[in-house]
Amino acid sequence: RKEVEQDPGPFNVPEGATVAFNCTYSNSASQSFFWYRQDCRKEPKLLMSVYSSGNEDGRFTAQLNRASQYISLLIRDSKLSDSATYLCVVNMRGSGYALNFGKGTSLLVTP
Amino acid sequence: SAVISQKPSRDICQRGTSLTIQCQVDSQVTMMFWYRQQPGQSLTLIATANQGSEATYESGFVIDKFPISRPNLTFSTLTVSNMSPEDSSIYLCSVYSYNEQFFGPGTRLTVL
Repeated sequence: RKEVEQDPGPFNVPEGATVAFNCTYSNSASQSFFWYRQDCRKEPKLLMSVYSSGNEDGRFTAQLNRASQYISLLIRDSKLSDSATYLCVVNMRGSGYALNFGKGTSLLVTP
Repeated sequence: SAVISQKPSRDICQRGTSLTIQCQVDSQVTMMFWYRQQPGQSLTLIATANQGSEATYESGFVIDKFPISRPNLTFSTLTVSNMSPEDSSIYLCSVYSYNEQFFGPGTRLTVL
């Protein structure tokens, strides 16, 4: 079983749509959770950290359910520039900074 | 933020040869990592590069195949040794700084 699992997509949505990505992780000792964004042929960049209480950054909302080991990302009012691959990321061990990445969910926002 | 550069940005190599990838950071960092992203796969941690001591390798990766140097807090190298086509991948350097993990632009390696 992979440590971090995501639906690979692709998700094709029109501009203005709301889209949700889900992710599950296997290591119950993980303490840090993130969503990264990776554009084609570019390095991953941090989109947002995910906290137990849930957190929002503009059009992006992240949720964490520790009991279910489940993480989600909601994007509202999708923009063309949101087209990218979204990576669910969990720290490898209870502490520390080494990361486990999901394969990513591909999003294409169309006019 | 931390700015990371990698050299080379890409290379095409013959099997059996070795390639050394350089990673330079614009500030001193304690935590530096090397990841690999094979086609269609997730980023996978190869090792943590420790300054002044041997790197710590993840399961499936060994020092003989991926020797790492970390001579100071701003620089590291990863060597891909005795390459085979299965080593074709993007290799990314990463650092933890300012409560965030930053990635270099990657080195795209093709082994023929």
